[in-house]
Amino acid sequence: EAGVAQSPRYKIIEKRQSVAFWCNPISGHATLYWYQQILGQGPKLLIQFQNNGVVDDSQLPKDRFSAERLKGVDSTLKIQPAKLEDSAVYLCASSRGQGLTGNTIYFGEGSWLTVV
Amino acid sequence: GESVGLHLPTLSVQEGDNSIINCAYSNSASDYFIWYKQESGKGPQFIIDIRSNMDKRQGQRVTVLLNKTVKHLSLQIAATQAGDSAVYFCAENLHFGNEKLTFGTGTRLTIIP
Repeated sequence: EAGVAQSPRYKIIEKRQSVAFWCNPISGHATLYWYQQILGQGPKLLIQFQNNGVVDDSQLPKDRFSAERLKGVDSTLKIQPAKLEDSAVYLCASSRGQGLTGNTIYFGEGSWLTVV
Repeated sequence: GESVGLHLPTLSVQEGDNSIINCAYSNSASDYFIWYKQESGKGPQFIIDIRSNMDKRQGQRVTVLLNKTVKHLSLQIAATQAGDSAVYFCAENLHFGNEKLTFGTGTRLTIIP
């Protein structure tokens, strides 16, 4: 079974520029998450989708971050304009869906962002 | 807000010995706990989970213990191998079946040959 796919793996941009990350979850997984992991810290949830609807985006900095999952499969996370403090690994994860037993969350390898 | 913390940021263990990684959580309402392993340059990898109605669960070479009285979680790795070197995170979830994880900072496990 293929895992969670993310691209690009690495990105370096200047502050105030924009960047977009793409995620393809595990086939059949209804729930998709974006996490931000700053170096030396644990991942922090940014946004959670159930199919193509947003379940929780309370920790997403909406003035600069946006995410969509239009067809309930792939998702894109965008940052515009980027700040130095956005330098982090952006992890996409997926799970089968809410209310299901054995609902393990699987993570992708992450997209490493450096803002200079 | 509630958070998950770890007792030790680093742990060094002789190869072949057992490793014990501890975690304290603060949200007594959390229903579900997961341990993840994160190797350098990779995403977190699921190791083992436990629900709040259990106090012990075993996997292959790993055991998770949950003490709800003192809100403490531990991960035991038997016969630690070089490949176990990684950062280990515990994560808590408020409601099993509606997974939304809160991660701790992590413990770096280093294996001494």
